[in-house]
Order: sequence, then structure tokens, then C-alpha cells
Amino acid sequence: EIVMTQSPATLSVSPGERATLFCRASQSVGSNLAWYQQKAGQPPRLLISGASTRATGIPARFSGSGSETEFTLTISSLQSEDFAVYYCQQYYDWPPWTFGHGTQVEIK
Amino acid sequence: QVQLQESGPGLVKPSQTLSLTCTVSGGSVTSGGYYGSWIRQHPGKGLEWIGNIYYSGTTFYNPSLKSRVTISVDTSKNQFSLKLTSVTAADTAMYYCARSPPCTTACQYYFDYWGQGTLVTVSS
Repeated sequence: EIVMTQSPATLSVSPGERATLFCRASQSVGSNLAWYQQKAGQPPRLLISGASTRATGIPARFSGSGSETEFTLTISSLQSEDFAVYYCQQYYDWPPWTFGHGTQVEIK
Repeated sequence: QVQLQESGPGLVKPSQTLSLTCTVSGGSVTSGGYYGSWIRQHPGKGLEWIGNIYYSGTTFYNPSLKSRVTISVDTSKNQFSLKLTSVTAADTAMYYCARSPPCTTACQYYFDYWGQGTLVTVSS
């Protein structure tokens, strides 16, 4: 099973600032990496697939990069609605498809 | 617009079977060829993929739950279902159904549509 490790666990950022979230895979997953945003009381929402392809309707301030074992989600200028928990997920080696434990982005 | 909706009991007794159904609207489970998954989230925790099913009936399960899980599909009702046997308090979680995008030249197993989730509590 591929283990996904996200860092940091919590990220404190001021509105308007850039946020950078990291996800590391225990073995190569190529570009088979997705990012999700989850707000309290809501299901996860797909942000990024293929490590860098934004899902339909996702603002351009969200960008993904990386490959193999190291991935990054960048939010260029945090808006109030962006404070949430973010998860990465690998879909290269299965079953199971695995998620990271999440990064909570909170208001500084 | 594809929508998924979970349904089923919110309270299950220990040792009994948890049964949930996911109803898909805005698209047929048979058209496009995609996998429907069950994913759970323990209170305050991360996401755990339970298993998935293709409209043809092909299934994949998380090895950690495989001995207790059955996922089935009812194409006539546009639904897929989860059964988890011999539940314990450790199975208390929010259960989501989700869809992976339609398979084209290959299948991509991320999740582009999610249901709102249903909280299942295991307690006597």
C-alpha cells in the first residue's frame, strides 16, 4: 500500500497570502495524484487531478505541481472561502487508493 | 449534472450488517462506464477508500476491509450499494459514495463527484 504523507498538518495563513501544501508518496505514483478540498460538514471537492489539471470550475489561484513522489498544491492568494482541509490522493497503485491525512489551512 | 445521494440506517448495532445505497441522478451508471466507490471518514479523521464497482459488476475492495465488504450495483435503479458485516464501534464514520470519471482509454481512479455523506453510528 502506498502511504501518502502531507505536511504541514496545519498551516496558518493570512488572507491574500500564498499557501503551499506538500504531499509525499512512499513510492512513485507518476502523475496519478489528486487534491481535494473539504470544508466542515461538506464532502470533499475535487480540485486537481493528474497532479496539475484543475477540475471544472476551480479558480486559477489553485495550482498543482510535482511528479513521482513529491507534490505541491499552491493557493496563490488565499480567499476567505479557501480555509479548509486539503487532502491528496494517489490513484496509481491499487487497491487501495490512498489519501493523505490532510492539511488544515487556517486563518492566521 | 451528476448527483449522488447516500441512504440507509444511521444507527447499526454491533455485530450486525451496515447497509447503504447510493442513488445516482443526472447520469446512468451504465453509460459512460465509470466506477462508483464507497469512502468513509471517521470523526475528525481522514478519508479511507472502502471499495468500488463498475456497472458490469467488477469490484475492487480495500484489503483491510475485504473480508467484510460487499458492493453491488442495480442498474435498473441507477444505484450501487454497500454491505459491511460484523460492524464494531470502529466502523462509526461518515460514509460517502463517489464517482470516478468515465473510463476512456484508461480508467482514472480519482473522485469527481461525491454524495453529501451519511453518518453511521455503531452502538447498542
